[in-house]
Amino acid sequence: GENVEQHPSTLSVQEGDSAVIKCTYSDSASNYFPWYKQELGKRPQLIIDIRSNVGEKKDQRIAVTLNKTAKHFSLHITETQPEDSAVYFCAASTGPGGGADGLTFGKGTHLIIQP
Amino acid sequence: EAGVVQSPRYKIIEKKQPVAFWCNPISGHNTLYWYLQNLGQGPELLIRYENEEAVDDSQLPKDRFSAERLKGVDSTLKIQPAELGDSAVYLCASSFIAGAAYNEQFFGPGTRLTVL
Repeated sequence: GENVEQHPSTLSVQEGDSAVIKCTYSDSASNYFPWYKQELGKRPQLIIDIRSNVGEKKDQRIAVTLNKTAKHFSLHITETQPEDSAVYFCAASTGPGGGADGLTFGKGTHLIIQP
Repeated sequence: EAGVVQSPRYKIIEKKQPVAFWCNPISGHNTLYWYLQNLGQGPELLIRYENEEAVDDSQLPKDRFSAERLKGVDSTLKIQPAELGDSAVYLCASSFIAGAAYNEQFFGPGTRLTVL
């Protein structure tokens, strides 16, 4: 089955700086890669996702890049703000349209924004 | 629109007791997922339903866990008997899948289970 590795487990950055979280996956059939943000005691919420036919996607301060050859994808957050502090999970999935199958998650990155 | 609803939000039981969790997905979503999230870890898939059919239950410990989605809408996950290691958050998610169309998975707030 799929295995998703996520690094780092904890990331502390100064407010206004950029943060990068990296993930690798093992199943070359995976074709959908979402990123979820989870605040303490809350539900995971999708912040951005990318499908395997795209190399990069951007939404305001958040961007995701995908390298299918190397089987890794990354989350980039620019101009970090205090409200970005949370745990971020990457995930991978297969399925005809992407996302139909269950998601395999990484272990999460605790992002801390220092004021 | 209303999100995914789960109940109860918290449950404390003694080991060997049974427990059940309920999930009502977003209206119109045909696919429902149950995940288990241990403290400090990412969610792990337990079972996936397409309408009433369990299409992937390979990760469900069938000796003590069972699930149903009788009318293709809401779903129940049961543990009998519960063990200390079952303490975790049980998350339900739903999505609308039609052929190759993409739709994200929306998560519920989860049920936090504590087994004493």
